[in-house]
Amino acid sequence: DAGVTQSPTHLIKTRGQQVTLRCSPKSGHDTVSWYQQALGQGPQFIFQYYEEEERQRGNFPDRFSGHQFPNYSSELNVNALLLGDSALYLCASSLTTGGLKNIQYFGAGTRLSVL
Amino acid sequence: AQSVAQPEDQVNVAEGNPLTVKCTYSVSGNPYLFWYVQYPNRGLQFLLKYITGDNLVKGSYGFEAEFNKSQTSFHLKKPSALVSDSALYFCAVRDNDYKLSFGAGTTVTVRA
Repeated sequence: DAGVTQSPTHLIKTRGQQVTLRCSPKSGHDTVSWYQQALGQGPQFIFQYYEEEERQRGNFPDRFSGHQFPNYSSELNVNALLLGDSALYLCASSLTTGGLKNIQYFGAGTRLSVL
Repeated sequence: AQSVAQPEDQVNVAEGNPLTVKCTYSVSGNPYLFWYVQYPNRGLQFLLKYITGDNLVKGSYGFEAEFNKSQTSFHLKKPSALVSDSALYFCAVRDNDYKLSFGAGTTVTVRA
């Protein structure tokens, strides 16, 4: 049973560019959340997707957008990249119903470097 | 607003000794509490959770955590630490919404 998979593992971009990160949830999971983890800090919630809709959003600007597809996979898009966007981006999947519904399972992350 | 505090940046223990990683939380509703561990260049691995029920929660790899409502704490414990337990540990909380709020993390070093 594959866990949460993210691609790419590493990415280097320059300021002003746009980037798309991808996430495939754990098998059977219908909810995807995205987090940003800056160096030396805990993950910060960006947003969560369920049934192809953004269900909740954290304190991130509109430059951060996302999408969930019918197969529950998800993308995170960041426009007009800033140096401060350099971080590890983590995707987490979870179930909306059932006994395990409160547990978010994380992928290994995408390391984004903005130069 | 929900938040978590991990008061210790680092915890150092000898192998075989008890390990405790501290966490306090603040939520407006009923807390859902979690511990995750992160190894270098890896994502977060789920260790255990408290939703309701017994205040002592048992999780993976011999870890347990004690929920204390009056002290708003959820400390992670292991009776006998291993060198392989050396990693970065995160406490997280959510209340009635969907997001997890994480602490800044505690680096645990277990020396042989």
